Amino acid sequence: GESVGLHLPTLSVQEGDNSIINCAYSNSASDYFIWYKQESGKGPQFIIDIRSNMDKRQGQRVTVLLNKTVKHLSLQIAATQPGDSAVYFCAEKGTGGGNKLTFGTGTQLKVEL
Amino acid sequence: EAGVAQSPRYKIIEKRQSVAFWCNPISGHATLYWYQQILGQGPKLLIQFQNNGVVDDSQLPKDRFSAERLKGVDSTLKIQPAKLEDSAVYLCASSSLAGETQYFGPGTRLLVL
Repeated sequence: GESVGLHLPTLSVQEGDNSIINCAYSNSASDYFIWYKQESGKGPQFIIDIRSNMDKRQGQRVTVLLNKTVKHLSLQIAATQPGDSAVYFCAEKGTGGGNKLTFGTGTQLKVEL
Repeated sequence: EAGVAQSPRYKIIEKRQSVAFWCNPISGHATLYWYQQILGQGPKLLIQFQNNGVVDDSQLPKDRFSAERLKGVDSTLKIQPAKLEDSAVYLCASSSLAGETQYFGPGTRLLVL
């Protein structure tokens, strides 16, 4: 079946460094991808999204890269801050109706001072 | 703009008891989703409503789970009877009719003993 997975369950970075969180997806028909941040005890918070007709999209301190050839998605966080510590999920939406998102298992980002 | 509201935030019940969760989506959002998030995993869609109609309930365990959105605004998810494996966070999300981005509430943490 379709699945979205993450390569690294835990990522530790120093404050001020850049973070890269990776995600592999298996449904080549997916046309929309989202990154969510989930802090402890809270619901997922939208960070950035990208459509399949794009390779790169930038937000404030975050960049999402999409490589459809190898079905790979990454989230880059510039100048990582302690407030960035959270679990990050990528999610994909297939081309079928209903707007259904399929989530991966998440990567825990830990920012060390 | 107010976000997605959920209540209660926490619930502890014994197995075979029943429980209900409530969600009020972002004002004007036609689409409402219920997700189950087991510890350490990404959210899994249980049911999706568009206005007061069900779009997708393929992953809802219908022998014990039910959901309704009678007036097309707020929604209730019920579990009856609960099992130990139902212990999870139940997340509600909403999106506009034309939008793909889903916005999540804080979730209800359920513990079944």
